[in-house]
Amino acid sequence: EAAVTQSPRNKVTVTGGNVTLSCRQTNSHNYMYWYRQDTGHGLRLIHYSYGAGNLQIGDVPDGYKATRTTQEDFFLLLELASPSQTSLYFCASRDRVREQYFGPGTRLTVL
Amino acid sequence: GDSVTQTEGPVTLSEGTSLTVNCSYETKQYPTLFWYVQYPGEGPQLLFKVPKANEKGSNRGFEATYNKEATSFHLQKASVQESDSAVYYCALSGDSNNRIFFGDGTQLVVKP
Repeated sequence: EAAVTQSPRNKVTVTGGNVTLSCRQTNSHNYMYWYRQDTGHGLRLIHYSYGAGNLQIGDVPDGYKATRTTQEDFFLLLELASPSQTSLYFCASRDRVREQYFGPGTRLTVL
Repeated sequence: GDSVTQTEGPVTLSEGTSLTVNCSYETKQYPTLFWYVQYPGEGPQLLFKVPKANEKGSNRGFEATYNKEATSFHLQKASVQESDSAVYYCALSGDSNNRIFFGDGTQLVVKP
């Protein structure tokens, strides 16, 4: 059974639209992460969290908000989506020996 | 700050040939080094990690030695298979980091 799940798996929205990407982990890990993946840029960290109510800023946070509601659930919010946010988004959780476990990804297209 | 630089892809090889993907890193901390692999349509997954300098990690025929003096962690495999086609990421996590720093990834294409 997958320990990190993401929904939706695919999403199409229009410029200016409001999008929420969801991530749930059943690993009981404290740390969770949101990345975007684009050709030529690899994995870029958007936001991360070490527990419910906590939020840390990553390397490419502009245009994104995030919220960690429980140990299991971490959400990425795009309140005014732009075409530059078209990307493949991955969520991950991290264990105590620093290994990260990734979800299957959400492909977001902003028209 | 911490950073990782790796071989730019794509790297195209024929089955049975050897692979080296170069990885160098910068950090002022004492890092754990990782290689992650991402198969088409999936999220990245850990290939192996090495927490100690001058030790070797290995998995599925791939190996890398944590060379502290050269600040390198090159990925090698003696004989690649078509099923090895994937994107490979070198990464580090410093002892006071709560995150991992990834390289840009190297796409490997193995032709039969």
